[in-house]
Amino acid sequence: EADIYQTPRYLVIGTGKKITLECSQTMGHDKMYWYQQDPGMELHLIHYSYGVNSTEKGDLSSESTVSRIRTEHFPLTLESARPSHTSQYLCASSQDGYQPQHFGDGTRLSIL
Amino acid sequence: KNQVEQSPQSLIILEGKNCTLQCNYTVSPFSNLRWYKQDTGRGPVSLTIMTFSENTKSNGRYTATLDADTKQSSLHITASQLSDSASYICVVSDRGSTLGRLYFGRGTQLTVWP
Repeated sequence: EADIYQTPRYLVIGTGKKITLECSQTMGHDKMYWYQQDPGMELHLIHYSYGVNSTEKGDLSSESTVSRIRTEHFPLTLESARPSHTSQYLCASSQDGYQPQHFGDGTRLSIL
Repeated sequence: KNQVEQSPQSLIILEGKNCTLQCNYTVSPFSNLRWYKQDTGRGPVSLTIMTFSENTKSNGRYTATLDADTKQSSLHITASQLSDSASYICVVSDRGSTLGRLYFGRGTQLTVWP
């Protein structure tokens, strides 16, 4: 199994709160990704990074932001959570674009 | 439009039986196709990855096939086990960027009954 960790696994929080979802990998991968997944639906890429100080927006528009200060760490932040942000957020990493992506177990986020 | 379609949407089989899941794609240009297994409440785990020149790849009881001409892939599961109950996701990558953009199917939800 890949060494990529996400915390928290579950989060229920009220509207308007600032949230940071943590993602860390110990494989030294340069590429990291954030996906959003709703039940029964496909994964949608919301952010990705090629390496330290590199971040790009993905295909699905998201009000979240990311940072990549260290290779192993790729946190996602929501400045003001809304019910529409309720979803599962999956973090992944890969050595390059051709190798399988290694996924964390996700954070299931519920905004009340 | 680049798309990945999987069928069936859900499938129930008895333990010990075989099954085949289908994936049709319209992604072009094509780089590779991956099958992932996603257990409930977990992240996807890679089962196989195939490039244009490969038409069969096995991983234990899982065998994936690829027909790049018809843009179809299948995942065959042999002698199913209860632990095979999961969502199986087909993912196709294009060659359009250094990132290798991924197109995800919605998955086939497989349930194995004892």
